[in-house]
Amino acid sequence: QVQLVESGGGVVQPGRSVRLSCAASGFTFTNHAMHWVRQAPDRGLEWVAVISLDGSIESYADSVKGRFTISRDNSKNTLSLQMNSLTVEDTAMYFCARETYWDHLQFDYWGQGTLVTVSS
Amino acid sequence: AIQMTQSPSSLSASVGDRVSITCRASQGIRNDLGWYQQKPGKAPKVLIYGASSLQSGVPSRFSGSVSGADFTLTISGLQPEDFATYYCLQGHNYPLTFGPGTKVETK
Repeated sequence: QVQLVESGGGVVQPGRSVRLSCAASGFTFTNHAMHWVRQAPDRGLEWVAVISLDGSIESYADSVKGRFTISRDNSKNTLSLQMNSLTVEDTAMYFCARETYWDHLQFDYWGQGTLVTVSS
Repeated sequence: AIQMTQSPSSLSASVGDRVSITCRASQGIRNDLGWYQQKPGKAPKVLIYGASSLQSGVPSRFSGSVSGADFTLTISGLQPEDFATYYCLQGHNYPLTFGPGTKVETK
């Protein structure tokens, strides 16, 4: 069965960095683009970043562009999000999501999320 | 970036009610819209993609439609497990954007 398991969250000070990981299993990882979506406490969903099947193409939300870097290791079925220069506005649950594209994009599988709290 | 508006922001309903939630995009997105359900403490779950295609395994009481610039999610016969927050997501252009959400509460 498809599984996405995030890790790497925790409490981090403003201005510092953290790296999130998402371990994928139960499907052919190289057949799917992968995304990060976040949700601040008691707020709505915010799309963060996407990476293409082979990792050659990335796209980011304006709110994280230049600070966050999405990457993937297809040999290890792992998705990552390097988060630098963190601010309190980056405090959120971070979900990885699998994209499936049948004429239209959908996020058909999600991880359970990992919580990042930016606080001094 | 494409802005998504969603209405209402919340609604109160009873089991068995017919409920409709609407999203509108700030520019044309063809039918590149999905609907997601999220329960507290859980990851979102896709219900509808391509504006009107029902995701496998999702009950048929959920449906999606388009009228002009308005995308509508309808729940025909609300069930106890449907009390949740619903989001639309435009998949037409990057950056992808979600609507602000609609919380469906029990009356």
